[in-house]
This record gives sequence, structure tokens and C-alpha cells, in this order.
Amino acid sequence: EVQLVESGGGLVQPGGSLRLSCAASGFTVSSNYMTWVRQAPGKGLEWVSFIYAGGSTYYADSVKGRFTISRDNSKNTLYLQMNSLRAEDTAVYYCARKANTAMTLDYWGQGTLVTVSS
Amino acid sequence: QSALTQPASVSGSPGQSITISCTGTSSDVGAYNYVSWYQQHPGKAPKLMIYDVSERPSGVSNRFSGSKSGNTASLTISGLQAEDEADYYCSSYTSSSTYVFGTGTKVTVL
Repeated sequence: EVQLVESGGGLVQPGGSLRLSCAASGFTVSSNYMTWVRQAPGKGLEWVSFIYAGGSTYYADSVKGRFTISRDNSKNTLYLQMNSLRAEDTAVYYCARKANTAMTLDYWGQGTLVTVSS
Repeated sequence: QSALTQPASVSGSPGQSITISCTGTSSDVGAYNYVSWYQQHPGKAPKLMIYDVSERPSGVSNRFSGSKSGNTASLTISGLQAEDEADYYCSSYTSSSTYVFGTGTKVTVL
């Protein structure tokens, strides 16, 4: 069974850093296209970043230069390193897997809340 | 990349059919048959309901169907049920090799 479990969220001051983790089971992270999507309180979904199986990475303009997506194949875990955090980064962060045979996100984690506030 | 445009809310009575639109551009919705629809109940993660414009994942009710014409995609829920009350988001692959989501639609079952 495919499962994604995020962790690492919490309260951080503006300008601070946080690293989110997404532990996967039931499939191999390194063989899949993985992504982070966020949702600000009461707002819609916003794509943040993704990493191809081959390792190429892409970022939304709103986080480019501040966030870094990576993975640890030995731990089958996806990460999102977030630096220079701003109030507008406050959101629930979801990791999700792209389906093997379709351009869609078929499995999502339960999300982890990041709050940026002084 | 601007968000795809969806109506803020759509409502219907039990048993009725409703349709949610999702309007993009020739660089996303109009460019590819890679439109997905997600259902999100309060406090829960999104759930995939439709992919590749009109395909249903295993386990999703056939009351949900999708279509596309030009730069606008649509999700139709037929035989509306109380459990369908949720937020719905469309998404599309884009010519920039990224994804874009819709603004979201709140479905209310009267």
C-alpha cells in the first residue's frame, strides 16, 4: 500500500529555516516524480516544487532560491529545505507522488503545517 | 503562472447534476489533455477524482466525469449526494513543465 507521511512542520520566525520530510512506503521515491504542494489557511492549492526520477528539480517562482527539494534514497524519503521563510509561506505542506502512467498526482500525504510568525 | 479560474461555489440538491468549470489558457488546459480534478474535504488531503481530462481512478464513483473543450475543462457530478459536499480543484500540466491548480470550487449539497 502506498503511503506518504509528512513531518517537520511547526512555528518558525520570519527569516528562519525549516526542513520538511515525507517518508514514503509501498513504492520507491527515487523511481518516481515527487512534488510538494502547499495550501495557505483558507486558500487554494499551490504547486511548490518537484523532483524528477532523474534528479532534475523545478520550483515555483515564489520559492525559487529559498527552497530546495531533495531525497534520500536509503531512507526512501523526500525533503523540502525551506530558508528565508516569510509570513506568506504559512501553509499546510503536502507531498504527493506523480502517477506512473499519467500526468497526475495520485497519492498525497496528510500534510504538515508550517507557521511563519514572530 | 496564474491559477486556473473556477467558480467560487456551486450548489445543487441531492440527485441533481452539477458542473464545475476550469478555465485556463493555450499554455496549460488548452495545450495538453493533462487536466486532473481533486476533491478535498475540510482538514483532509486532496483526493484524485479525475485525471487526463476524463479518466477515473479505480474506486472513484462513475457519478464523476470530466471533459474539455478548448481552454476550459469541466467536472460533472451526477446524482449529487451529501458526501460530495467538499472543495474541488482542477489542475493542469503546463508548457513550462510545471503544474498549475485552479482557484477551487466549494460544492454545497442543499
